[in-house]
Amino acid sequence: QKEVEQNSGPLSVPEGAIASLNCTYSDRGSQSFFWYRQYSGKSPELIMSIYSNGDKEDGRFTAQLNKASQYVSLLIRDSQPSDSATYLCAAFGAGGTSYGKLTFGQGTILTVHP
Amino acid sequence: DVKVTQSSRYLVKRTGEKVFLECVQDMDHENMFWYRQDPGLGLRLIYFSYDVKMKEKGDIPEGYSVSREKKERFSLILESASTNQTSMYLCASSLPPASSFNTQYFGPGTRLTVL
Repeated sequence: QKEVEQNSGPLSVPEGAIASLNCTYSDRGSQSFFWYRQYSGKSPELIMSIYSNGDKEDGRFTAQLNKASQYVSLLIRDSQPSDSATYLCAAFGAGGTSYGKLTFGQGTILTVHP
Repeated sequence: DVKVTQSSRYLVKRTGEKVFLECVQDMDHENMFWYRQDPGLGLRLIYFSYDVKMKEKGDIPEGYSVSREKKERFSLILESASTNQTSMYLCASSLPPASSFNTQYFGPGTRLTVL
């Protein structure tokens, strides 16, 4: 069973700080990775995808991928109370029984307090 | 914008009833997925489909079946609902696995309660 592990939460940061969310994955062949944000009672919404080693920036969000270490992270700069949500990391299956499927981590609950 | 819709936001059924959850997407996506989400267990894949009339078991298919008669529609069926199937059910769709842009887009979810 391919796994995706996220750092245990909940994570609490003050408004304006950088929130750092981490994720490791076991399927070395995975090539695509996704970060979803899920507000309480709502469905997951995609906020970032990353396919290549290095950093990918989109506004206040930066995704980082290190395939050698099998590590993905999401940085949220200038955190706002509206960023308070559960963040899900997902890896796209590379082959075998995982091909074509996303494996999700358990999620990290982020709270940004004023 | 990709739009994935689900037939109901909230549903209450009785034990033993047959339950149909419908999902429709408007982006001509080949792939469709059904998940359930429970506190502490995360998102778990029930079934998925790569094409019309095709279906593949996910990680927890027991007690469920699916139907895909049209490309845009993917139905999840609980043959005989049980209380342990009380959960949030999420439908998603995406382009084929071979596509570089294989992001999954989720519907709003159906919160099913089985009494």
